[in-house]
Amino acid sequence: DQQVKQNSPSLSVQEGRISILNCDYTNSMFDYFLWYKKYPAEGPTFLISISSIKDKNEDGRFTVFLNKSAKHLSLHIVPSQPGDSAVYFCAASGTYKYIFGTGTRLKVLA
Amino acid sequence: DGGITQSPKYLFRKEGQNVTLSCEQNLNHDAMYWYRQDPGQGLRLIYYSQIVNDFQKGDIAEGYSVSREKKESFPLTVTSAQKNPTAFYLCASSSPGQVQDTQYFGPGTRLTVL
Repeated sequence: DQQVKQNSPSLSVQEGRISILNCDYTNSMFDYFLWYKKYPAEGPTFLISISSIKDKNEDGRFTVFLNKSAKHLSLHIVPSQPGDSAVYFCAASGTYKYIFGTGTRLKVLA
Repeated sequence: DGGITQSPKYLFRKEGQNVTLSCEQNLNHDAMYWYRQDPGQGLRLIYYSQIVNDFQKGDIAEGYSVSREKKESFPLTVTSAQKNPTAFYLCASSSPGQVQDTQYFGPGTRLTVL
């Protein structure tokens, strides 16, 4: 039973446009959510997080939105750049453990 | 520079052999974690440790063992009992191990069983 789902395995976006990556979760006890970026053969790099008491968090070109009623979060990247091409994982936490989604591969086209 | 190091980057093992993956951090983090990544899958938790001399099983602990004798170090042993050990292994740490503390990852070790 997958508690955190990223239903889009891949996404292609033109450079300069907005990238929107989605993540759904099933456990209402999750209260902390994160996005990581990962290049092949490297460890994930932390991007941005959000607590369940908020519905939006911004950091430069990255914004995470949380819709608790829908159990849905999304990562917006504006404007998208070719260096953003990577696999993006969402993660959720309600204990000391994170549950990760399966990742979305983003390709930003120049 | 503070960070998490994992060694080696690539590791090859013959079937039936145990192998130990190293993870060291100088971030003064209390909590450390081991994950496994397989193609097309998310990261799955193998073991975690919130404090020295204590650790708990994650979701896929069978065939693995760990120790936490020092705050900086959390080695993972992949035993011969692990049926499908070929994977990318990632170590992470966080401080002070609270629920909403961000985990930071090392560069990973790719283990291949020949």
